[in-house]
Amino acid sequence: DARVTQTPRHKVTEMGQEVTMRCQPILGHNTVFWYRQTMMQGLELLAYFRNRAPLDDSGMPKDRFSAEMPDATLATLKIQPSEPRDSAVYFCASGLEGVAKNIQYFGAGTRLSVL
Amino acid sequence: KQEVTQIPAALSVPEGENLVLNCSFTDSAIYNLQWFRQDPGKGLTSLLLIQSSQREQTSGRLNASLDKSSGRSTLYIAASQPGDSATYLCAVRSNDYKLSFGAGTTVTVRA
Repeated sequence: DARVTQTPRHKVTEMGQEVTMRCQPILGHNTVFWYRQTMMQGLELLAYFRNRAPLDDSGMPKDRFSAEMPDATLATLKIQPSEPRDSAVYFCASGLEGVAKNIQYFGAGTRLSVL
Repeated sequence: KQEVTQIPAALSVPEGENLVLNCSFTDSAIYNLQWFRQDPGKGLTSLLLIQSSQREQTSGRLNASLDKSSGRSTLYIAASQPGDSATYLCAVRSNDYKLSFGAGTTVTVRA
């Protein structure tokens, strides 16, 4: 049962702390997306990778957020330092460009609370 | 910038009634439109994807239509069941990867 795996599922931290969220895309997928979901803004695209290369991070606050793909099986999203306004659910999605209409398959999300 | 609007924001119906969920978008130059389901505390599950050249897609009790020229899509769910209770999100792809999401319609089907 192929699925996108995100860890941790929940994270509570204090303002100023570093937060790292991890995502394991579906094996064989070559695109990875990071989204943030809040009640006010809905779902927003933060970053997009294709073949591990970052192609779009225009939705990401550059001063505190960073996204990387150390290898094809791991994507990370870091926030340093974290702020209360970063509290949200962060979703990772993966897809296969050029096949199956590039449908994005979503993980269960990381619910982040910054106190 | 693509703006996606979903109406209504919430819907409550008795079991067995048909559901009609609406989605509108501002820029008709789209690649495709996708309907997702989101259960509380869970990720998004893709329900239907309609390519820009198509008018509708069907899967079981679900049917989605697309009128690109008027910037509208409608998701129909026939003979609703309590298990259909969830939030339904419409997403429009305006280039080769970017999805613009609506805020969703939260559906409650009463037994």
